[in-house]
Amino acid sequence: NAGVMQNPRHLVRRRGQEARLRCSPMKGHSHVYWYRQLPEEGLKFMVYLQKENIIDESGMPKERFSAEFPKEGPSILRIQQVVRGDSAAYFCASSPGVSSYEQYFGPGTRLTVT
Amino acid sequence: AQTVTQSQPEMSVQEAETVTLSCTYDTSESDYYLFWYKQPPSRQMILVIRQEAYKQQNATENRFSVNFQKAAKSFSLKISDSQLGDAAMYFCAYRTLRGGSEKLVFGKGTKLTVNP
Repeated sequence: NAGVMQNPRHLVRRRGQEARLRCSPMKGHSHVYWYRQLPEEGLKFMVYLQKENIIDESGMPKERFSAEFPKEGPSILRIQQVVRGDSAAYFCASSPGVSSYEQYFGPGTRLTVT
Repeated sequence: AQTVTQSQPEMSVQEAETVTLSCTYDTSESDYYLFWYKQPPSRQMILVIRQEAYKQQNATENRFSVNFQKAAKSFSLKISDSQLGDAAMYFCAYRTLRGGSEKLVFGKGTKLTVNP
């Protein structure tokens, strides 16, 4: 069973461009979580999604950021008009459901905004 | 809101020795899970150990064990017989189900150096 896949692993964008980060959960997992890790910091929760539903987006900036987890295909975290402060590592995790206490993490996407 | 505090930004230990990493948390929930994650230079988050709050027995995984003090809201990680491969950032995390959501709240991490 393949682990959580994230791509790209590294992404460089110029200020004002759009960044799209993809996450394919483990097989059989219908819950996806996105976290952001700024340099020298711990991971911070951004958004929690189930298939076709956003359950909790309380950690996501109100502007420029959006997330989706469609019925088919990977979960997408989209950042519009990126700024230097968006440079960070973005981690996706998945789980089969709330009754499963463990979240399985992907390798992360390192976003650099120049 | 739930918070997790790791008061040791950096720690070092000699190979084969024992080291303890500290973590405290704040919550009003009665049932929850606590975790220690390891993040090596590859940045992959690796689950080291977990503890269910309703269990009084401290969790153990090989050379890794925890000292869980529920009343004190303390959750320290002990690494015995430290190995060079243990060098990494270690994050303490709390799992909350508040408000119908589910999320992990992480501390800022402790950088562990293992000296040969």
